[in-house]
Amino acid sequence: GENVEQHPSTLSVQEGDSAVIKCTYSDSASNYFPWYKQELGKRPQLIIDIRSNVGEKKDQRIAVTLNKTAKHFSLHITETQPEDSAVYFCAASKGAGNMLTFGGGTRLMVKP
Amino acid sequence: GAGVSQTPSNKVTEKGKYVELRCDPISGHTALYWYRQSLGQGPEFLIYFQGTGAADDSGLPNDRFFAVRPEGSVSTLKIQRTERGDSAVYLCASSYSSGANVLTFGAGSRLTVL
Repeated sequence: GENVEQHPSTLSVQEGDSAVIKCTYSDSASNYFPWYKQELGKRPQLIIDIRSNVGEKKDQRIAVTLNKTAKHFSLHITETQPEDSAVYFCAASKGAGNMLTFGGGTRLMVKP
Repeated sequence: GAGVSQTPSNKVTEKGKYVELRCDPISGHTALYWYRQSLGQGPEFLIYFQGTGAADDSGLPNDRFFAVRPEGSVSTLKIQRTERGDSAVYLCASSYSSGANVLTFGAGSRLTVL
C-alpha cells in the first residue's frame, strides 16, 4: 500500500520567515495530494491540495509543489504568522473513491 | 447539518467493555470515512463507506472493530472487548461523493481505555 513520509517532524521559525515541509510518497498511482492543518484539540482542516496534472498551486501565503518523477511534494508558507502555529499533515490518494494516506505530521511553531 | 458531527466527544471506558462512536456527516455527502489518530501521529485509515455499503474496510485492525451505515447517512463505529491500545481519537470525515477527494473532518471522539 501507499506510504507517506513527512519531514521535519518539528519546525520552529521566526515570525515573517518562510516555512517548508516536505513529503514523499511510494505509490506512483497516487494523484491527489492535500495538506491539512490541525490546531491543538481541533479537527484537521484542508488548507490546500494539488492534483497530479499540475506542478504548483498557490493560495495567498501558501503554495504546494509536486514532483511526480521524484514522488515528492512540499508545502511552502511565506511571511509566517503566530496563528500559523499548528500541526500540518500531508496526504496522498489514488483519486476518486480512494482513502487518504497521511504523513506523520509536522509541528510548526512560529515565534513572535 | 453545517458540519460533520461526532458523539461522544470524549469516552472513558474500562478494558473489555463495548463502545459505540457515532458520526453524522454533512447532509448530502454520500462518502463517509473513519480514521484513528494516536497521539503525535497522522490519521490512520480504518473504513470507508459509499452510501450504505463499506467500500473499503482494509484499515480495520481486527475483528473487534466494526462499522455500519444502515441508511447511508449516520454511521456507527463499534469496538468490542476494548483494549488499552484502542485509546485514540477516532475521526470521521465525509465528502460529497466518491468522485470527490475533499474530506471534511469532524472534531473526533477521544476514546480512553483504562
